[in-house]
Amino acid sequence: QVQLQESGPGLVKPSETLSLTCTVSGGSISSYYWSWIRQPPGKGLEWIGYIYYSGSTNYNPSLKSRVTISVDTSKNQFSLKLSSVTAADTAVYYCARVAKQQLLIYYYYYMDVWGKGTTVTVSS
Amino acid sequence: DIQMTQSPSSLSASVGDRVTITCRASQSISSYLNWYQQKPGKAPKLLIYAASSLQSGVPSRFSGSGSGTDFTLTISSLQPEDFATYYCQQSYSTPIFTFGPGTKVDIK
Repeated sequence: QVQLQESGPGLVKPSETLSLTCTVSGGSISSYYWSWIRQPPGKGLEWIGYIYYSGSTNYNPSLKSRVTISVDTSKNQFSLKLSSVTAADTAVYYCARVAKQQLLIYYYYYMDVWGKGTTVTVSS
Repeated sequence: DIQMTQSPSSLSASVGDRVTITCRASQSISSYLNWYQQKPGKAPKLLIYAASSLQSGVPSRFSGSGSGTDFTLTISSLQPEDFATYYCQQSYSTPIFTFGPGTKVDIK
């Protein structure tokens, strides 16, 4: 079965760029959308953005100016870069697969496989 | 932007209780509503998609209903492993996803 694993530095300095990678195992990265979600300590979930295996992307408008998501199909990986970070970006970062299901004539999207998450702290 | 709210924000219940959590969207989202369960220190887990479709492997005591702006997640008989935080998430405005603030279910 498909498994996702986040990796990257656990500590990032303010104003620098946060970089994380999600490795997909047990299946191909092709034919799916792939997403990043984060959760600040003690708070709820915030969707960051997603990428299609072909490379097309969509981002949360509140983060769009600072976010880049990319994909490397040869490595079965996709990545997140978040620039100019502050303490408010301290969170657990999750990667997830976005499934697309057709019911009747409609298409539904949901995140059906998640990584375990990685904690990123922004501090000098 | 579509805003999601959930009620209550927390509840206390006993094993065997019937539990109902409500999610409301700021505008109609048809049936584009998903539910997730998150336990402390763990990643969220998909329970329900398209408002009422049970994800494979999820116990049948979980059910979802609703359409338009008002949705409900019901646990028919609460089990010890169900104590967790539950989030709704809309996908109507795909490619933009929005989560609700969560409902924490703990032991009475």
